[in-house]
Amino acid sequence: NAGVTQTPKFQVLKTGQSMTLQCAQDMNHNSMYWYRQDPGMGLRLIYYSASEGTTDKGEVPNGYNVSRLNKREFSLRLESAAPSQTSVYFCASSPQTGGAHSPLHFGNGTRLTVT
Amino acid sequence: DQQVKQNSPSLSVQEGRISILNCDYTNSMFDYFLWYKKYPAEGPTFLISISSIKDKNEDGRFTVFLNKSAKHLSLHIVPSQPGDSAVYFCAARQGGSEKLVFGKGMKLTVNP
Repeated sequence: NAGVTQTPKFQVLKTGQSMTLQCAQDMNHNSMYWYRQDPGMGLRLIYYSASEGTTDKGEVPNGYNVSRLNKREFSLRLESAAPSQTSVYFCASSPQTGGAHSPLHFGNGTRLTVT
Repeated sequence: DQQVKQNSPSLSVQEGRISILNCDYTNSMFDYFLWYKKYPAEGPTFLISISSIKDKNEDGRFTVFLNKSAKHLSLHIVPSQPGDSAVYFCAARQGGSEKLVFGKGMKLTVNP
């Protein structure tokens, strides 16, 4: 059981380039999330998807777009990368929508550097 | 404005002793609180949680205490083990909301 799988693990981009971070979960979870982790900032929510076909903005959505391709997959796209987007990106999933007893299950992250 | 605060960036304890990790929150609408543990180069993993209707929840060596009036929760690890060395995140959620709000994290080092 792989859980939450993120690709790629590492990526270096030049300013202005675009890329898509991929995430897939095999736990049949309804909700999926994208977080970024920066030193001294903790984890901040970028976008989330409560169910297939829906997406909503989190705390720091600017510069990103997302697609909930199906129940398993939730991708994060940077259309024009900026150095401020250098971060570690985590995808997560959860069984229930807003459920109190639904801890998030995280992938191992994508380490992105924008030069 | 940070809604979940972990004011101490690090803690070092001896193996076998108690580790106490603290967390404060400002949003009185939060009603569910979680602790996550994170090792380097891995994603955070869920550790333990507590609902606002309780003041204590225990799971093996891990106990979380909630003081709603003080908007404060703490994680106790007894006895601490070297494998507990990691970054610990406190997180909180408002009932019905998808948004889990995290603190900045605290690095725990357990020395053999």
